[in-house]
Amino acid sequence: NIVLTQSPATLSVTPGESVSLSCRASQSISTSIHWYQQKSNESPRLLIKYASQSISGIPSRFSGSGSGTDFTLSINRVESEDFSIYYCQQSYSSLLTFGSGTKLEIK
Amino acid sequence: QVQLKESGPGLVQPSQTLSLTCTVSGLSLTSNSVSWIRQPPGKGLEWMGVIWSNGGTDYNSAIKSRLSISRDTSKSQVFLKMNSLQTEDTAMYFCAREKQLRYFDYWGQGVMVTVSS
Repeated sequence: NIVLTQSPATLSVTPGESVSLSCRASQSISTSIHWYQQKSNESPRLLIKYASQSISGIPSRFSGSGSGTDFTLSINRVESEDFSIYYCQQSYSSLLTFGSGTKLEIK
Repeated sequence: QVQLKESGPGLVQPSQTLSLTCTVSGLSLTSNSVSWIRQPPGKGLEWMGVIWSNGGTDYNSAIKSRLSISRDTSKSQVFLKMNSLQTEDTAMYFCAREKQLRYFDYWGQGVMVTVSS
């Protein structure tokens, strides 16, 4: 199984700051990584596909980068609605797996 | 407008079988794949399995022996059946459209299932 390790587990920031969330794969997965946002008591929402491809309707402050084993989700100037949990998911292996999540909280 | 909605019992007894339904609208099951994903309270997401647009299935090896996914295309419904439930199967269960390149762009609201006597 491909294990995805997300760090940090929790990130405390002030609205207006820019942040980077990390997702590291246990083996090289090319760019087969996708990012989701999950707000409390809601279902996940797709933010970024294939490491860096944007999704229609998602604000441009969200961007993704990386390839191989190291991936980053960046949020430029965090807004109040962005405080939630972020998950990465790999599709390199037929057994799809998710990271354990990074909680973005208000400092 | 694509929508998915899960339904099923909120409480299941240990060792019993869980049956869930995902009713979809705005898309055809003969040209779209649907996955089941679950999330224990306060924990992360686990992909359970997929029913492909051609009716074939793939399952997470960790639960493959207990899981079955099927569909009724005429009713636009996808079904999940999982047997031998234990307390660790307590979770929110989501169905989601799985794109061909294996990510999820539409999700249902989820249904909470508690395994308890």
